[in-house]
Amino acid sequence: SQTIHQWPATLVQPVGSPLSLECTVEGTSNPNLYWYRQAAGRGLQLLFYSVGIGQISSEVPQNLSASRPQDRQFILSSKKLLLSDSGFYLCASRLAGLQYFGPGTRLTVT
Amino acid sequence: QKEVEQDPGPLSVPEGAIVSLNCTYSNSAFQYFMWYRQYSRKGPELLMYTYSSGNKEDGRFTAQVDKSSKYISLFIRDSQPSDSATYLCALGRNTGTASKLTFGTGTRLQVTL
Repeated sequence: SQTIHQWPATLVQPVGSPLSLECTVEGTSNPNLYWYRQAAGRGLQLLFYSVGIGQISSEVPQNLSASRPQDRQFILSSKKLLLSDSGFYLCASRLAGLQYFGPGTRLTVT
Repeated sequence: QKEVEQDPGPLSVPEGAIVSLNCTYSNSAFQYFMWYRQYSRKGPELLMYTYSSGNKEDGRFTAQVDKSSKYISLFIRDSQPSDSATYLCALGRNTGTASKLTFGTGTRLQVTL
């Protein structure tokens, strides 16, 4: 089975500051990885997905970016945060055709 | 129109009741159907999944899919306070090299003693 780690667990950042959220996966190799954002009352919104190192697909145009420097590492970044970037960020990994989620990072932009 | 519609609730039931959670969808391209359970401030956990129309049972949980009506349901029998959570339906399709899920907004369930 796989284990998905995310850090930090919570983060409070001022508007205009940079962002880096990290996701790492144990127990599998070459997984498809996903970044989602969950806002209240809006369900989960797919932001990015990756099928391999250096391969990133963006689903929603915004001021966020993603990178995959290693097989089991997925990073979500921003150069300048907006208030609207607040939310619960979830990393997911696909195993045997099914998506499993990490514990999430709660981001508050003030 | 959203691709997946789910009543947000909240839904409050007494312990021991049968719970029915539902989603409707508009895109017939969806190939597989999942239910996730999410406790407050936690990541969603996969509860049930199915690839075809019909029923799939796992303990107290039954997932039902009706592709002709574009309707999926999750039934919880003998509900327990520990079932209190938000339940998310997720519908998937394979697109090229990746699979993608489209989620409902979630139904918040409260099981009371």
